[in-house]
Amino acid sequence: DTAVSQTPKYLVTQMGNDKSIKCEQNLGHDTMYWYKQDSKKFLKIMFSYNNKELIINETVPNRFSPKSPDKAHLNLHINSLELGDSAVYFCASSQRTGGAGNEQFFGPGTRLTVL
Amino acid sequence: GDSVTQMEGPVTLSEEAFLTINCTYTATGYPSLFWYVQYPGEGLQLLLKATKADDKGSNKGFEATYRKETTSFHLEKGSVQVSDSAVYFCALINQAGTALIFGKGTTLSVSS
Repeated sequence: DTAVSQTPKYLVTQMGNDKSIKCEQNLGHDTMYWYKQDSKKFLKIMFSYNNKELIINETVPNRFSPKSPDKAHLNLHINSLELGDSAVYFCASSQRTGGAGNEQFFGPGTRLTVL
Repeated sequence: GDSVTQMEGPVTLSEEAFLTINCTYTATGYPSLFWYVQYPGEGLQLLLKATKADDKGSNKGFEATYRKETTSFHLEKGSVQVSDSAVYFCALINQAGTALIFGKGTTLSVSS
């Protein structure tokens, strides 16, 4: 059973379009995250959610809107896609927020290409 | 703010060679430290972690020791294999515990 799953795995779209990436975790975790990995492999946090509530938003443009319908799901909707949004987006989850050694489990990633 | 600095790659080694990937950090307090590995085309997997000074994390022959005095968490393996070829990320958990702060990653390529 996949612990953290994302769909789709690949997403190719035109500039200006709106798209969504879905994430689900079956680990019973309380906290979920979205990270962006750029073309140089650099990973940066975008959002953190704890029990469906936003707890961190790292200066991400308003075009990005996370939605958490329940604590097992954290979807990412992107409006008016731009070339610079091309990246690999990773969803992750952890048992809780904070605490020593609190491990995050990552999904397989979604490679977004904006043409 | 919190940050992680890793040695620049790529690192190219022959099978059975000794591996060291340097990692130093800047943080408030004593954060938990992690090494994650990303195999080609895959997501990140936790390789090992340490939660306090002098802790040694180990897994699959890899080791790293949390050194508070040098703010370092260097990754080592005594004998690398071709299957270890991947990108390795050093990371810490931020003070609020809300996000991982990653280094830029080090690409390891092992040839037979």
